[in-house]
Amino acid sequence: QVQVVQSGAEVKKPGSSVKVSCKTSGGPFSNYVLSWVRQAPGQGLEWMGEIIPMFGTTHYAQKLQGRVTITADESTSTAYMELSSLRFEDTGVYFCARGPSYYDSRDADYYYTGLDVWGQGTSVTVSS
Amino acid sequence: EIALTQSPGTLSLSPGERASLSCRASHIVISNYLAWYQQKPGQAPRLLIYGASIRATGIPDRFSGSGSGTDFTLTISRLEPEDFAVYYCQQYGTAPPVTFGQGTRLEIK
Repeated sequence: QVQVVQSGAEVKKPGSSVKVSCKTSGGPFSNYVLSWVRQAPGQGLEWMGEIIPMFGTTHYAQKLQGRVTITADESTSTAYMELSSLRFEDTGVYFCARGPSYYDSRDADYYYTGLDVWGQGTSVTVSS
Repeated sequence: EIALTQSPGTLSLSPGERASLSCRASHIVISNYLAWYQQKPGQAPRLLIYGASIRATGIPDRFSGSGSGTDFTLTISRLEPEDFAVYYCQQYGTAPPVTFGQGTRLEIK
């Protein structure tokens, strides 16, 4: 059974950076897109970006361009999301999730799965 | 960017009743790359439906998805007490790849 486990809660000062990790176990890692989604207190879900580890290809939400960096380490099946120049409004819960697609090298195509396995979430608090 | 609008914002129903939640896209959702998620307080979202109508693994058959193009619906045929939660639709396309609707809160009447 695939599991996604995230790093623990963080408290950061405005202007600093935070780096959250997300480790996948029990299933393939490199050929699955890995997405990051955040949720401000009492608000909805906001997509931040994604990576496909085997290619290192990333896409980011325009709103966060220049502040967010997503990386992946295939040797440890771990993805990372770093958010810089933190602001009070970056406070919230940050989720990683497998999907919404994976790459099948047998036919060189992507298959859509939805965000099918989620991490438990990491609370990030930006406070002075 | 494709914007998703969910309605109603809040839906008040009783256990045993049927729920219909709507998700409308500002542009056609390619290849029906539309998913539905359920989120309960303090928990991560849970995938219910993907590809507009395909139930995810382990999801009860009282949950069903329908629609295509720009109009999609999540239907819960007979509400169980554990179904009262917030529901989000999400599309996967291009530029940006992923957007979420603002959510529908399903509450007990």
